[in-house]
Amino acid sequence: SQTIHQWPATLVQPVGSPLSLECTVEGTSNPNLYWYRQAAGRGLQLLFYSVGIGQISSEVPQNLSASRPQDRQFILSSKKLLLSDSGFYLCAWSVDAGGPQHFGDGTRLSIL
Amino acid sequence: KQEVTQIPAALSVPEGENLVLNCSFTDSAIYNLQWFRQDPGKGLTSLLLIQSSQREQTSGRLNASLDKSSGRSTLYIAASQPGDSATYLCAVDSNTGKLIFGQGTTLQVKP
Repeated sequence: SQTIHQWPATLVQPVGSPLSLECTVEGTSNPNLYWYRQAAGRGLQLLFYSVGIGQISSEVPQNLSASRPQDRQFILSSKKLLLSDSGFYLCAWSVDAGGPQHFGDGTRLSIL
Repeated sequence: KQEVTQIPAALSVPEGENLVLNCSFTDSAIYNLQWFRQDPGKGLTSLLLIQSSQREQTSGRLNASLDKSSGRSTLYIAASQPGDSATYLCAVDSNTGKLIFGQGTTLQVKP
């Protein structure tokens, strides 16, 4: 069966520090991968999605970037965190576009 | 631009009641609609997915309906239980994989 892992579960970082959140999927090949952010009062927003290694699409301009160095690995990064980057970050995968998406347990990011 | 709205934002019911959660979307050109459950501080669990050609999907005590022409979906929960307490999110997909989410309905089922 397929599983998705995100880490860390929680993270507290100072403003201006770098960020790296990792997501991996097991039990499937060439999945579509997604990064979402859930900010207080704003609902879930798609940040990045990827249909293959090295193929990243950004949905909103922001202080973050994403990379997919391996087929089942998706990384969310920032060089310098802003206060506005606080939120709950969720990774998801699907077999293809239009198929059901399956979510990880999320990372709670707090910026001080 | 697709917008998804969920009403009510919060709902509290006694155990055993049947209830309906509502989801509306502005652009009827969708490929599918998904309902998710989110427990506090946790990720999303997929409950039901309805393709645009379908009218409803059922899983246990849950039934989701879709009226694409009117831009509406409902999630019906039968015989609610305290364990059903969570936030329920609907999301639409226009076949790009980019889900557009509603703000969610937070449900509390009181014993």
